[in-house]
Amino acid sequence: KQEVTQIPAALSVPEGENLVLNCSFTDSAIYNLQWFRQDPGKGLTSLLLIQSSQREQTSGRLNASLDKSSGRSTLYIAASQPGDSATYLCAVRTGGFKTIFGAGTRLFVKA
Amino acid sequence: DTEVTQTPKHLVMGMTNKKSLKCEQHMGHRAMYWYKQKAKKPPELMFVYSYEKLSINESVPSRFSPECPNSSLLNLHLHALQPEDSALYLCASSQGTGSSGANVLTFGAGSRLTVL
Repeated sequence: KQEVTQIPAALSVPEGENLVLNCSFTDSAIYNLQWFRQDPGKGLTSLLLIQSSQREQTSGRLNASLDKSSGRSTLYIAASQPGDSATYLCAVRTGGFKTIFGAGTRLFVKA
Repeated sequence: DTEVTQTPKHLVMGMTNKKSLKCEQHMGHRAMYWYKQKAKKPPELMFVYSYEKLSINESVPSRFSPECPNSSLLNLHLHALQPEDSALYLCASSQGTGSSGANVLTFGAGSRLTVL
């Protein structure tokens, strides 16, 4: 059974710092991995999608990597801003339509 | 249009009420999903429709009844709910079926349900 773990559960950093969020999964048989952002009480906003054949994706200050063989992904946020404060969720797509979510990392960026 | 629209944003209902949540997308996506999310927990899959047919029901109680009238619309009918069903209900869609690695899940803003 696929399990997705995110570390740390919460993170507080000063503005301007570069940071890394970690995601690990137990079964390497995935089709893709998606990183989402969720603001309190809101829906999920897709940040980056990495297909199983890819190693990384970049969008602006965000860079996500995928190492399927070791069951790991990282989300790198450069030059963090207070507006980046949110919960970040990673999710892996397994067989069929199932997408398994991690519990998320709650990020707080202090001005 | 790159959005998934959910209505209502907030819903308060009693345990004897019947209500519905609505989800709409006009991206031509052929798979649509309902997720349930409790506070500070990850979303949990409830139902998946593919080409307007129910593909997955994750053993959801029958007081939740999904419906997909057409490829753009997904409803969740609610009846005789319990207070523990209070949660954020999220709708999502994706372009294709099955296991394409290019399938991106696009979520709506959610419907916040409170059962009294």
